[in-house]
Amino acid sequence: DTGVSQNPRHKITKRGQNVTFRCDPISEHNRLYWYRQTLGQGPEFLTYFQNEAQLEKSRLLSDRFSAERPKGSFSTLEIQRTEQGDSAMYLCASSLTQGGTNEKLFFGSGTQLSVL
Amino acid sequence: QKEVEQNSGPLSVPEGAIASLNCTYSDRGSQSFFWYRQYSGKSPELIMFIYSNGDKEDGRFTAQLNKASQYVSLLIRDSQPSDSATYLCAARVGYGGATNKLIFGTGTLLAVQP
Repeated sequence: DTGVSQNPRHKITKRGQNVTFRCDPISEHNRLYWYRQTLGQGPEFLTYFQNEAQLEKSRLLSDRFSAERPKGSFSTLEIQRTEQGDSAMYLCASSLTQGGTNEKLFFGSGTQLSVL
Repeated sequence: QKEVEQNSGPLSVPEGAIASLNCTYSDRGSQSFFWYRQYSGKSPELIMFIYSNGDKEDGRFTAQLNKASQYVSLLIRDSQPSDSATYLCAARVGYGGATNKLIFGTGTLLAVQP
C-alpha cells in the first residue's frame, strides 16, 4: 500500500499563470476527492470522482478550476489564471466504496500553492 | 451556521490527563462521523469513525455520538505530548446518491503539556 501520492509538493506561481496538480490514489480505491485547506481552517470540499465520473463539484468552485480523472486512476486539478486567493494547500483523498456508511477517506500529503 | 462546528482552542491538558474534544453538526441527515488528526504542515490522518449512537473505543481513543443532540466527541486518555495536533471532526452528508462528501470543522488545536 503506497498511499495517496500528490505532486508537486510545493508550487510557487505568479498571479495569472495556470497550474496543474496531480494525484495518484491508493490503487484499488474507486473514489477520489479534492479538498482545499487554508491556515486555521478545516479542509474545504472541492469535487469528487467515482471512477472516471465527476459526481459533485462545490458551488464555491469557480470556472477557473477544473478536474479530470480520465481513466479512473490518477486525477489532475488545474487552476487557470491564478489569483492570490487561490494560495492554499490542495489535498487529494481516496476511498473504496463498500456500500456502508463507514467509507474512509485517506489523504495525500498535499500540494502547497503560493500565488505571488 | 456552519455544518460542522468545533472550538478552535487551543485546548491545553497536562500529560497523562484526559483530553475531551467536541463537535456539533447541523445536518440531521448526516450518517457517519470521523476524527482526523493533523500535525502542523502535514495532511489529515484518520484516527476514528463512528456511525451508531454511543461510544466506540480504540486504544486510548473513544469516540462518542449522540444523534439526538447532534453531538460528537473524542476522548483521548493518558494524553501524551505526541498527541499535540489539530483534531478535525468531519461529517458525511448524503449517504447514497451523488452527495457523499465529508464536511470538516475548523479543527481544535490540542496542546499536551509535559
